[in-house]
Amino acid sequence: NAGVTQTPKFQVLKTGQSMTLQCAQDMNHEYMSWYRQDPGMGLRLIHYSVGAGITDQGEVPNGYNVSRSTTEDFPLRLLSAAPSQTSVYFCASTYQPQHFGDGTRLSIL
Amino acid sequence: GIQVEQSPPDLILQEGANSTLRCNFSDSVNNLQWFHQNPWGQLINLFYIPSGTKQNGRLSATTVATERYSLLYISSSQTTDSGVYFCAVDRDDKIIFGKGTRLHILP
Repeated sequence: NAGVTQTPKFQVLKTGQSMTLQCAQDMNHEYMSWYRQDPGMGLRLIHYSVGAGITDQGEVPNGYNVSRSTTEDFPLRLLSAAPSQTSVYFCASTYQPQHFGDGTRLSIL
Repeated sequence: GIQVEQSPPDLILQEGANSTLRCNFSDSVNNLQWFHQNPWGQLINLFYIPSGTKQNGRLSATTVATERYSLLYISSSQTTDSGVYFCAVDRDDKIIFGKGTRLHILP
């Protein structure tokens, strides 16, 4: 039982590049979410999903896209990376209580 | 949207000391959770506590939903308690985090 798995763990991009952060869970949880963590800011909600085919915006959705085609997977897409998106990204599943992945450290040059 | 404020922002204690961390929230919530982020960045759920009091070893938490606050108590602190403690509230399917309390336990 792997829980919540995020890939990659580290990534460096150039401004304007695109990439997808992967998140998978094997606990059959309906609810999944993405956060970014910046120094002194806590975790801020980017997007969330209450089930396959349903997604919604969180506190800081601009510059990010998500989709939820299966219960297991909830990828986060950066279409045109910007330096302001340099952060640590966390994926989580369910909310009673939440289970977090180990994070992806993303740097945009 | 709902506001979540944690205090104090930073706390330095000697090993063996007790501490109380506070979380205030600006509106009614469905649930509240406390997390510990260890020095390696992993987020560990400590308590799921929409109301009342729970205890787990040296840690306990109390949420008074009608007064919109929650407290996390850490007794007999150990160096392994160091890290950042977050509270997070659930309202309308959105889970919103406070900015955390950074706790440093000195040996």
